Amino acid sequence: GQQLNQSPQSMFIQEGEDVSMNCTSSSIFNTWLWYKQDPGEGPVLLIALYKAGELTSNGRLTAQFGITRKDSFLNISASIPSDVGIYFCAGQLDAGNNRKLIWGLGTSLAVNP
Amino acid sequence: NAGVTQTPKFQVLKTGQSMTLQCAQDMNHEYMSWYRQDPGMGLRLIHYSVGAGITDQGEVPNGYNVSRSTTEDFPLRLLSAAPSQTSVYFCATRQGWTEAFFGQGTRLTVV
Repeated sequence: GQQLNQSPQSMFIQEGEDVSMNCTSSSIFNTWLWYKQDPGEGPVLLIALYKAGELTSNGRLTAQFGITRKDSFLNISASIPSDVGIYFCAGQLDAGNNRKLIWGLGTSLAVNP
Repeated sequence: NAGVTQTPKFQVLKTGQSMTLQCAQDMNHEYMSWYRQDPGMGLRLIHYSVGAGITDQGEVPNGYNVSRSTTEDFPLRLLSAAPSQTSVYFCATRQGWTEAFFGQGTRLTVV
């Protein structure tokens, strides 16, 4: 099935550093979503973006809906150990109840205290 | 708030056995869905439901059945388990147009 290109695949950073990750697609999306998954848990929705060019923050997290509607970025500022996990992007196509998500393969983040 | 509750958390099946993965939500969300998560494949949609009595197929429906008799429950049935169905299964509900709440997952191994 269709998937998004999410990069980087993994990151290992020092506590306090800023983090950037992104997702790109050959398709145009109406919605971009960012999730975090901790080991042994389900994904947790971090940020939802609904309009091209939109920039939205959630605490130390900031995400942007690309102008072309084919990409999105997630930044984490001043990383802390609890930021460790896998971050997924997802794009949403279509309209109505049949909206389905297309998922990236995730960015695994490790933070060295 | 319980949110989305999945049971069991872990299960080992023999090839050919059947079982039902349970999903219950207490948020009165109309839309519920089942995903499977495999390494290198991301999350893939199995089945979804837009309300009681209404279900539809997702990307990978073969080998799975669903029904939705109540708003709260959306069970996923494996008819005859195969090793290819070894995976982590997640149930999710939608708030507005967004999959906002996921369960903790069921880790299934088929031997």
